[in-house]
Amino acid sequence: AQSVTQLGSHVSVSEGALVLLRCNYSSSVPPYLFWYVQYPNQGLQLLLKYTSAATLVKGINGFEAEFKKSETSFHLTKPSAHMSDAAEYFCAVSRGVGTSYDKVIFGPGTSLSVIP
Amino acid sequence: GAVVSQHPSWVICKSGTSVKIECRSLDFQATTMFWYRQFPKQSLMLMATSNEGSKATYEQGVEKDKFLINHASLTLSTLTVTSAHPEDSSFYICSARGRREAGELFFGEGSRLTVL
Repeated sequence: AQSVTQLGSHVSVSEGALVLLRCNYSSSVPPYLFWYVQYPNQGLQLLLKYTSAATLVKGINGFEAEFKKSETSFHLTKPSAHMSDAAEYFCAVSRGVGTSYDKVIFGPGTSLSVIP
Repeated sequence: GAVVSQHPSWVICKSGTSVKIECRSLDFQATTMFWYRQFPKQSLMLMATSNEGSKATYEQGVEKDKFLINHASLTLSTLTVTSAHPEDSSFYICSARGRREAGELFFGEGSRLTVL
């Protein structure tokens, strides 16, 4: 079975400061890992994904994440927070092998606030 | 990226009525669609996995007679909430995956259901 934990249900940073959102996963097979962002009353938008290629993954809006197998982590970072980054962020995992039927399991989410 | 459209975005209905939500993949063939439910300030809870031309697979605890899912074509899946009650009020989100995407899901905009 697969699962995702996100440390910190709420993170607050100052504008221009480093953003660090933590994600740890559990998977019995090589995982695919994702970070999604959700703005109020909207669906989810993919920020970036890890699919067993480079361990450092760059995404949209200046975000990046590093896959660390030894730590079973996939933390999301951004060097400098912008006001528009305030949103809900979800880490997700699915099996890295299998078919398109494999489901994606989401973490509980982290709400990011950016202080002017 | 691939586009998934969900309709309606908002729906208000009376208790006891049925509501249908449509999920369409606009520019790719969705072999699998997933339906999620999201309560305020919470993560996405997978309700069911819908494969084209076959019966949906429901997650444990989800009533299949309550939440009818039909994946009639490679571009359309529908969720019908039957005999809706106030506790069914929620944000429902669909997502779709094609044959070639590496595990990535493309999300609809979500549908806010309010049952009076």
